[in-house]
Amino acid sequence: AQSVTQLGSHVSVSEGALVLLRCNYSSSVPPYLFWYVQYPNQGLQLLLKYTTGATLVKGINGFEAEFKKSETSFHLTKPSAHMSDAAEYFCAVSGPNTGNQFYFGTGTSLTVIP
Amino acid sequence: SQTIHQWPATLVQPVGSPLSLECTVEGTSNPNLYWYRQAAGRGLQLLFYSVGIGQISSEVPQNLSASRPQDRQFILSSKKLLLSDSGFYLCAWSVNRGYEQYFGPGTRLTVT
Repeated sequence: AQSVTQLGSHVSVSEGALVLLRCNYSSSVPPYLFWYVQYPNQGLQLLLKYTTGATLVKGINGFEAEFKKSETSFHLTKPSAHMSDAAEYFCAVSGPNTGNQFYFGTGTSLTVIP
Repeated sequence: SQTIHQWPATLVQPVGSPLSLECTVEGTSNPNLYWYRQAAGRGLQLLFYSVGIGQISSEVPQNLSASRPQDRQFILSSKKLLLSDSGFYLCAWSVNRGYEQYFGPGTRLTVT
């Protein structure tokens, strides 16, 4: 079965510092990869996605992620954290090799310190 | 553009009472629809998904059920709520299975 691992259930960064949220998947076949953000008491919002093509994907709010097949990773980054980035972030995988099922990671809570 | 609605936004129900949560999607036809539950501080658990009217697949055994009476309407129900049913319920849609999912605002259910 497909699995998604998000290293670090809680990450704290200072305002203006680099944000790095880690996501690794288990698959021998490149899946579709997604990052979602969830603010308190709200639904999930799609940040970015990778299906095929360019491995560096840019999303909303200044976030980007790079698909690295050799490392089976899809880490989320943002050069400079803003207070409004404080939220829960979920990595997800799907695709033909998963039977088109969506698998979510357990989430990473990002705290931004002023 | 597509939008997804859920109601109610919050709900407090006693143990043993019935439940009905509704989700509707606008701006698309024949969407794949999903119900998720998110317990406090936990990840997402897929409860049901539907690829068409009247077609429901259950992912976990429980006292909940789902129905899709219309193309863009998805309903989550229970005849008798348990304390363990408390959580944040999210509805989502996608063009096809495996494609990106778009989530509604959620319903916070507290069973007392």
